[in-house]
Amino acid sequence: DIQMTQSPSSLSASVGDRVTITCRASQTISSSLNWHQQKPGKAPKLLISTISSLQSGVPSRFSGSGSGTDFTLTINSLQPEDSATYYCQQTYSAPDTFGQGTKLEI
Amino acid sequence: EVQLVESGGGLVQPGGSQRLSCVASGFTLSTSWMNWVRQAPGKGLEWVANIKHDGSEKYYVDSVKGRFTISRDNAKNSLYLQMNSLTAEDTAVYYCAQDGGLWGQGTLVTVSS
Repeated sequence: DIQMTQSPSSLSASVGDRVTITCRASQTISSSLNWHQQKPGKAPKLLISTISSLQSGVPSRFSGSGSGTDFTLTINSLQPEDSATYYCQQTYSAPDTFGQGTKLEI
Repeated sequence: EVQLVESGGGLVQPGGSQRLSCVASGFTLSTSWMNWVRQAPGKGLEWVANIKHDGSEKYYVDSVKGRFTISRDNAKNSLYLQMNSLTAEDTAVYYCAQDGGLWGQGTLVTVSS
């Protein structure tokens, strides 16, 4: 199975800050990397697919990058509503594993 | 409205069975790989299973192999998860999720005597 390791596990930032969350795969996963956002008590929501494709309706302050085994989610100009847990997920090969999550507090 | 709606959760005894359903509205499921993902209380997301557009391929996480069965009925725009031999470790909110797209709101399965 492909292991996905996120860092940090949690972070605290202020409105207007820029934050970066990293995700490392235990083997190359091509472009099969998604980022999901989950707010407390809510279902997850897909933010970014295939490394950097922003989903419709997702603010442009969110961006994804990376290749091979190392990937990054960047949030520019943090807003209060960005407080959530963020998960990376590989869909390169089953089981489609998730990272352990990064809890972002604003 | 475009949405996925799960149902079928509830309290089940250890060793029991439960069948979850997920119905799509506002779009057709038949063109998508579909997934079940679960989240135990206070824990992260765990991918459980997925199924190809036409049902010809299915994959499972090791912990549910032989106990859970994913299926779909494209004519009913629906996805299913048959869960057998349930244990306390299966207690979780179960989400259906479209590959690269929409998530449902989740349904809670509690395995307890």
